[in-house]
Amino acid sequence: EAGVAQSPRYKIIEKRQSVAFWCNPISGHATLYWYQQILGQGPKLLIQFQNNGVVDDSQLPKDRFSAERLKGVDSTLKIQPAKLEDSAVYLCASTPDLTAEAFFGQGTRLTVV
Amino acid sequence: DQQVKQNSPSLSVQEGRISILNCDYTNSMFDYFLWYKKYPAEGPTFLISISSIKDKNEDGRFTVFLNKSAKHLSLHIVPSQPGDSAVYFCAASVGTGNQFYFGTGTSLTVIP
Repeated sequence: EAGVAQSPRYKIIEKRQSVAFWCNPISGHATLYWYQQILGQGPKLLIQFQNNGVVDDSQLPKDRFSAERLKGVDSTLKIQPAKLEDSAVYLCASTPDLTAEAFFGQGTRLTVV
Repeated sequence: DQQVKQNSPSLSVQEGRISILNCDYTNSMFDYFLWYKKYPAEGPTFLISISSIKDKNEDGRFTVFLNKSAKHLSLHIVPSQPGDSAVYFCAASVGTGNQFYFGTGTSLTVIP
C-alpha cells in the first residue's frame, strides 16, 4: 500500500513570497489533515478535511493560509504571503473513516528567509 | 495552551534495558491516546494506541499505560534496541476521526 505522498520535500522562499504544498493521501482515506511542526514543538493541526469538506480549520491563519481538497482526494496548502515565522515542516496525514491512527507523509520543510 | 505535555526532551538508555517515556495531559475529554515515532527527515509513524476504557495496551516490546485519574500515560519499551533511537510523540484526541493534540516529543537514544 502506497503511503501519503507530499511534495516538495524542501522549499526555501523569501518573506512575502507565495508557496504551495501538495499532498496525495492513501487511497480510500476520507480524512486528510495538514499539520505544522515548528522546530522543537509537536505537530499542530492547521486544517482537517472529511472528503472534500472542511471539518476543522479553527487554527488556520486564514489571512495568509488556504487549503483545498476539491475532489476529495489530493490536497493543496498555500501560504501567501509567507512570514519568517512560517518556517516549519508541513505534514500531511490521512485516516480511513472511523479509525484514529493517522498515517503521515514525510513532510515539506519550508524555510522563509 | 499545551494540552499534551512531554516534560523530558531527551532520554538515554542502554541497549537491553527498559525505556520509559512519559506524557501528561490536561483535557479530561481526551479518550484516545497514541504514540508516534519519528526518525529524522521522515514523518511520524504510528506506534501504539490506547483508549480510555483500558489502562494498558501491549504490542510486542511496546506497552502503553494510562492513568486517567492522574491524566498521565507512559510508553515502556523492553528491551530497548539501538533502532528505537528516535523522537517519540504522545498524542491525544477526543473520539476517533478528530484532530490529534501532540506533545513536544522526547528524543530517545539507545546506547549499544
